[in-house]
Amino acid sequence: ILNVEQSPQSLHVQEGDSTNFTCSFPSSNFYALHWYRWETAKSPEALFVMTLNGDEKKKGRISATLNTKEGYSYLYIKGSQPEDSATYLCAFKVRGGADGLTFGKGTHLIIQP
Amino acid sequence: GAVVSQHPSRVICKSGTSVKIECRSLDFQATTMFWYRQFPKQSLMLMATSNEGSKATYEQGVEKDKFLINHASLTLSTLTVTSAHPEDSSFYICSGSSISGGAMVEQYFGPGTRLTVT
Repeated sequence: ILNVEQSPQSLHVQEGDSTNFTCSFPSSNFYALHWYRWETAKSPEALFVMTLNGDEKKKGRISATLNTKEGYSYLYIKGSQPEDSATYLCAFKVRGGADGLTFGKGTHLIIQP
Repeated sequence: GAVVSQHPSRVICKSGTSVKIECRSLDFQATTMFWYRQFPKQSLMLMATSNEGSKATYEQGVEKDKFLINHASLTLSTLTVTSAHPEDSSFYICSGSSISGGAMVEQYFGPGTRLTVT
């Protein structure tokens, strides 16, 4: 059974501050790591797909890094804004396995004005 | 990103009845569609994978006769919960994916359906 852990479970951050959170996944048979942002009553929005060890991706104020050897990824948000409030999900896909994703429980981020 | 719609967004049904949920890819052809569900305080869990024109592949512990999946076209997949019971109450969400260069690319999700069985 694959286990994807995300921490912290929830996070309150002051507007303007930067923050980061973690996704841990099995390091064997790695294929891809996905990050999604999920706002209430909306579809999860794809942020990043990362496949290579050492990958770093950036989208505006949000960036992510990947370490496949030790099995973790960090998501960073610089200068948090109220619109960043959402649940951030990471999901893992194994090499040679089913095409579906194994998700963590998410990090619920609240930006306080 | 690509858009996936899901209908209905909420449904309440009586125990023993069947419910159909539709998932449509609006601006791309989804060669593969996935169905997930999420129970309270749990992660999204994959239920089944379907390729257009083929029978769905179900994850361990998911009853294929209870959760009927049809993927008759590249833009539509349906999930029918047959003879629903209160324990089937959950949040059901679909995603679609296409193949590019032999590799599966991003999965795009619908907004989900909240099913309550009374």
